[in-house]
Amino acid sequence: EVQLVESGGGLVMPGGSLRLSCAASGFALSNYYMNWVRQAPGKGLEWVSSISSSNSYIYYADSVKGRFTISRDNAKNSLYLQMNSLRVEDTAVYHCARALIVGTTLAYFDYWGQGALVTVSS
Amino acid sequence: DIQMTQSPSSLSASVGDRVTITCRASQGISYNLAWYQQKPGKVPKLLITATSTLQSGVPSRFSGSGFGTDFTLTISSLQSEDVATYYCQKYDSVPLTFGGGTKVEIK
Repeated sequence: EVQLVESGGGLVMPGGSLRLSCAASGFALSNYYMNWVRQAPGKGLEWVSSISSSNSYIYYADSVKGRFTISRDNAKNSLYLQMNSLRVEDTAVYHCARALIVGTTLAYFDYWGQGALVTVSS
Repeated sequence: DIQMTQSPSSLSASVGDRVTITCRASQGISYNLAWYQQKPGKVPKLLITATSTLQSGVPSRFSGSGFGTDFTLTISSLQSEDVATYYCQKYDSVPLTFGGGTKVEIK
């Protein structure tokens, strides 16, 4: 059974940093694009970042580019998101999600973790 | 970047009604569209890929159609368990963009 379990969320002051982790089980992380998708309280879904299976391709939403860094450790079956210079508007539940590809193109998300709540507030 | 606009943002319908949700892309995305269902307090569930391909286990009352810029998700006979927010998502290229969501409730 595929499982994705996030950890590392919490309350942080504006300008602070936080590192999220996602532990994957039930499949080999090394075979998939992995992603972070966030959802602000009561709001819709927003794609944040993606990393290809071999780390060759990394993408970020403009809203987090230069502040967030996605990484993975295939040996540990884990995905990470280092979040720096956090802003109030980064407050959200951050979901780890596995993506499938169409041809060679990053496509859609077939498994999601329950998410980690990140609250940025003074 | 391509924007995805869903309408309506919410709707209320009776059990057994036919429900249609629209998703419009600001530029053409061919068939590269997925739909998700998010029930209250749950994570999103992938319903449809490539505009119209139902994922395994999704009831046949759900269907998708469209091409290019205009897409629809149809529930042919609304059931109480379909209460959820539905999102479209384009995947022709990065950034992967979701629509704003359509909340479906029972009247």
